[in-house]
Amino acid sequence: DTAVSQTPKYLVTQMGNDKSIKCEQNLGHDTMYWYKQDSKKFLKIMFSYNNKELIINETVPNRFSPKSPDKAHLNLHINSLELGDSAVYFCASSQGHNYEQYFGPGTRLTVT
Amino acid sequence: SQQGEEDPQALSIQEGENATMNCSYKTSINNLQWYRQNSGRGLVHLILIRSNEREKHSGRLRVTLDTSKKSSSLLITASRAADTASYFCATATYGNNRLAFGKGNQVVVIP
Repeated sequence: DTAVSQTPKYLVTQMGNDKSIKCEQNLGHDTMYWYKQDSKKFLKIMFSYNNKELIINETVPNRFSPKSPDKAHLNLHINSLELGDSAVYFCASSQGHNYEQYFGPGTRLTVT
Repeated sequence: SQQGEEDPQALSIQEGENATMNCSYKTSINNLQWYRQNSGRGLVHLILIRSNEREKHSGRLRVTLDTSKKSSSLLITASRAADTASYFCATATYGNNRLAFGKGNQVVVIP
């Protein structure tokens, strides 16, 4: 069974569109994260939730909105997509912020 | 903030050789972790070393931690083509509810 899954794996869309990426973990973890990895492989944290509560909200445009319907799911909705949003987005989960993190396979977003 | 800094950034070795990567950080840590990322995949946790530990082993991996120098090293012994990947260090610091990832080291193992 996949521990952390994301859908879709690839997402190609035009500027101005709205899209969502879904993430689910079956590890029973309380903490989930969204990261953005750019073309130089630099990994930047975007959001973190602990038991459905927002813990980290980095300086990202408010076009990005996370939603956690339960502690096993953390979805990412992006409004009015821009070219600069093109990147690979990773979901991750952990027992807590000092513990090892388990990453999903990533969603490669391409905005044209 | 991203405080882990790996060095060197790109390494190319022959299969069977050892590969060593270093990571430096700036503030006191709770623990330091190493992750591997194969091309097109998510990061995979390799090993976690706590601030009161100096060395840790896992299979062909050996991690050291020197808190006085604020640095860590990852040694991969007897490398294999499958070890070709990017390797990231990440630090967990007190009072900070996140991991700070470094820029990553690209390791290429030539068969």
